[in-house]
Amino acid sequence: EIVLTQSPGTLSLSPGERATLSCRASQSVSSSYLAWYQQKPGQAPRLLIYGASSRATGIPDRFSGSGSGTDFTLTISRLEPEDFAVYYCQQYGSSLMYTFGQGTKLEIK
Amino acid sequence: QVQLQESGPGLVKPSQTLSLTCTVSGGSISSGGYYWSWIRQHPGKGLEWIGYIYYSGSTYYNPSLKSRVTISVDTSKNQFSLKLSSVTAADTAVYYCAGYARRNWYFDLWGRGTLVTVSS
Repeated sequence: EIVLTQSPGTLSLSPGERATLSCRASQSVSSSYLAWYQQKPGQAPRLLIYGASSRATGIPDRFSGSGSGTDFTLTISRLEPEDFAVYYCQQYGSSLMYTFGQGTKLEIK
Repeated sequence: QVQLQESGPGLVKPSQTLSLTCTVSGGSISSGGYYWSWIRQHPGKGLEWIGYIYYSGSTYYNPSLKSRVTISVDTSKNQFSLKLSSVTAADTAVYYCAGYARRNWYFDLWGRGTLVTVSS
């Protein structure tokens, strides 16, 4: 089973700043199989990025994804108040399993 | 627009079987365009994938839960269901139904989630 480790656990930033969230896999993951989600309190996760770098429908272009192999990054270029939430990475592996990272909480500084 | 809605008891006693149903609206499960999954989230924790089912009935489960999980589909009702047996307090979680399109490997359809508490 591929384990995804997200860092930092909590990121404290101000609106307008740039956020960089990391997702590291215990073994190599195909970029096609790496996604990012945003979750706000009391809501289901929302797909942000798929295929490591493609934005889902309706996602603002301040969100971008990059990376390959075992290291992936979600970047939010200029934080808006509505971006403060928990972010999860997710992978699909050769074992036919889906796994998620433990999440990064993005909080207002 | 396809929507998913979970339903089922919010309280289950220890050692009993948790049963949830996901109703799909705005699209047909039988179209075969999607795989249908259950995902859970323990209170204040991350996400755990439970398993998936295709409209044909083929399934795949998380090995850590495989011995206790059954996912089934009822195409006539446009629903799929989760059964988790021998539950304990550790199974207390918000349960989401979700879907991903064929040849995609990410979940672009989600229900709102339902909290299931295991307690006597």
